Amino acid sequence: EPEVTQTPSHQVTQMGQEVILRCVPISNHLYFYWYRQILGQKVEFLVSFYNNEISEKSEIFDDQFSVERPDGSNFTLKIRSTKLEDSAMYFCASSRNNSPLHFGNGTRLTVT
Amino acid sequence: DAKTTQPNSMESNEEEPVHLPCNHSTISGTDYIHWYRQLPSQGPEYVIHGLTSNVNNRMASLAIAEDRKSSTLILHRATLRDAAVYYCIEKLQGAQKLVFGQGTRLTINP
Repeated sequence: EPEVTQTPSHQVTQMGQEVILRCVPISNHLYFYWYRQILGQKVEFLVSFYNNEISEKSEIFDDQFSVERPDGSNFTLKIRSTKLEDSAMYFCASSRNNSPLHFGNGTRLTVT
Repeated sequence: DAKTTQPNSMESNEEEPVHLPCNHSTISGTDYIHWYRQLPSQGPEYVIHGLTSNVNNRMASLAIAEDRKSSTLILHRATLRDAAVYYCIEKLQGAQKLVFGQGTRLTINP
């Protein structure tokens, strides 16, 4: 069964550094998402992406965040200047129209 | 965002059925009920969804009340691998994203 893959599984970075989290969605999916989960808290929506543009974003997704689909297969989340509070699990997901979301197993981001 | 209410935690025994309740008293007529689960150290995983009728798949069954204000996810024969946080989510018509609540943490005893 096709799956969403995310790399790296764990990323450690220093405060103020830029990070790029990478995702390969399922190939025939059209909608792409990023979620995050701070340790012990609920899964929070960050952004959705369709037709090469952001379709919806949450309050969390401020100017420090950006998403890109640089080619036909990758979907990336960039955090320009990381803060301690950005430490979390970041999940990528993809879906077809009005179909269930398929999630990857996440990237654990640790900001020191 | 649409709001569902679930118990914080439940416990059951291996090989017994599990009924996970969810209240969604403000649901509109066109919004679907989705269930996802999150196993330890993994991303959320789709379980099942429905609108009005009861639904069955290889993972679970979903029983939706006639007034649609509540639903129950049924695991017919729980295994240790079913220990997870289960999320009941109202998916708004036309929306693609999911909004997760706190979910129910299900513990399965051997």
